[in-house]
Amino acid sequence: NAGVTQTPKFQVLKTGQSMTLQCAQDMNHEYMSWYRQDPGMGLRLIHYSVGAGITDQGEVPNGYNVSRSTTEDFPLRLLSAAPSQTSVYFCASSSPGQGVYEQFFGPGTRLTVL
Amino acid sequence: GIQVEQSPPDLILQEGANSTLRCNFSDSVNNLQWFHQNPWGQLINLFYIPSGTKQNGRLSATTVATERYSLLYISSSQTTDSGVYFCAVIPGSARQLTFGSGTQLTVLP
Repeated sequence: NAGVTQTPKFQVLKTGQSMTLQCAQDMNHEYMSWYRQDPGMGLRLIHYSVGAGITDQGEVPNGYNVSRSTTEDFPLRLLSAAPSQTSVYFCASSSPGQGVYEQFFGPGTRLTVL
Repeated sequence: GIQVEQSPPDLILQEGANSTLRCNFSDSVNNLQWFHQNPWGQLINLFYIPSGTKQNGRLSATTVATERYSLLYISSSQTTDSGVYFCAVIPGSARQLTFGSGTQLTVLP
């Protein structure tokens, strides 16, 4: 199992550009999430999905779009990048069957918006 | 929403020393996890421990759910233990993690 994979590892954008951060998992997990981590802070939830076709907002959703067309993939879209979106982005997945909610994280994407 | 407080915020140890990190949370939880973020930014799962005690080598963790706290013990610390330790919880009404602000651990050779 590759676990949770993210691409790209690094990205530099100019203000106003758009891009998609990719996330995939091969563990057949129902739940997938996107978090952002700003310097010196813990992670904050952007969007999450409890299954294909179902998404919902987290703590900091503004400026981001998601969709979940398959169980394996959960891309995060920045429609018009802003410097405030400079951060490290983590994708996570979990399978809360039988009441176990343990989440597994990808390696992260470091995004800089100039 | 739920509050997650970690202490101490910073900790500097000499190699070989022991340490205890604490996580307090303000509501009942379905999930509590401890992570180690290494200097390269990777998040490593240490423990999934909504209640009880677990051990993995030099690390162990205890969660007392009724008193809303968890402790992470690191024994015989090594320089490779350096990094940030995060506690994260899923409260009973939610589905995703809320993170504490972390404990920055530095182990000196």
